[in-house]
Amino acid sequence: GAGVSQSPSNKVTEKGKDVELRCDPISGHTALYWYRQSLGQGLEFLIYFQGNSAPDKSGLPSDRFSAERTGGSVSTLTIQRTQQEDSAVYLCASSPLTEAFFGQGTRLTVV
Amino acid sequence: ELKVEQNPLFLSMQEGKNYTIYCNYSTTSDRLYWYRQDPGKSLESLFVLLSNGAVKQEGRLMASLDTKARLSTLHITAAVHDLSATYFCAVGQGAQKLVFGQGTRLTINP
Repeated sequence: GAGVSQSPSNKVTEKGKDVELRCDPISGHTALYWYRQSLGQGLEFLIYFQGNSAPDKSGLPSDRFSAERTGGSVSTLTIQRTQQEDSAVYLCASSPLTEAFFGQGTRLTVV
Repeated sequence: ELKVEQNPLFLSMQEGKNYTIYCNYSTTSDRLYWYRQDPGKSLESLFVLLSNGAVKQEGRLMASLDTKARLSTLHITAAVHDLSATYFCAVGQGAQKLVFGQGTRLTINP
């Protein structure tokens, strides 16, 4: 069975460019999370989707960050006008409302 | 608002010793999880605890949950180097998002 899949696994982008990160959750999981983890740090919550409810966007650090989840499945995290401080590993997780299963992450480097 | 605190945040110990990591949370919860993260890797699920008094064991790791005290512990018995990693607890309530602790970076020295 497929787990949570994230793409790309690595992304290097120039400062000021926009990037899109993709998350394919486990089929049937109603909940989807995005977290950010800087080197050696803990998990920073970004956004949470639960079924058809309005997403919890309380963790998005600025209006440059947005996310959507189409058809209750695939999610895309978009960062506009990237800054160097956006460099981090972006982790996606999906959950059937019990435990959350994590993807391998996208390592974003803004140069 | 649900808050989750782990302690210690850093732990260095010798092989063969026992130690406990603590996870406190601030409001009623119906589930608690422990995850392991190796350097450069994603999070791996270790334990799911769903009821008061729940205890689960896997090898040298044992997790327990006291919902009345809002406390979970992760106990390491006779530590070995392979257990060096960062350990996170996470707490959930209903359909609300999971909230993670800060993580405990465990280093086990020969």
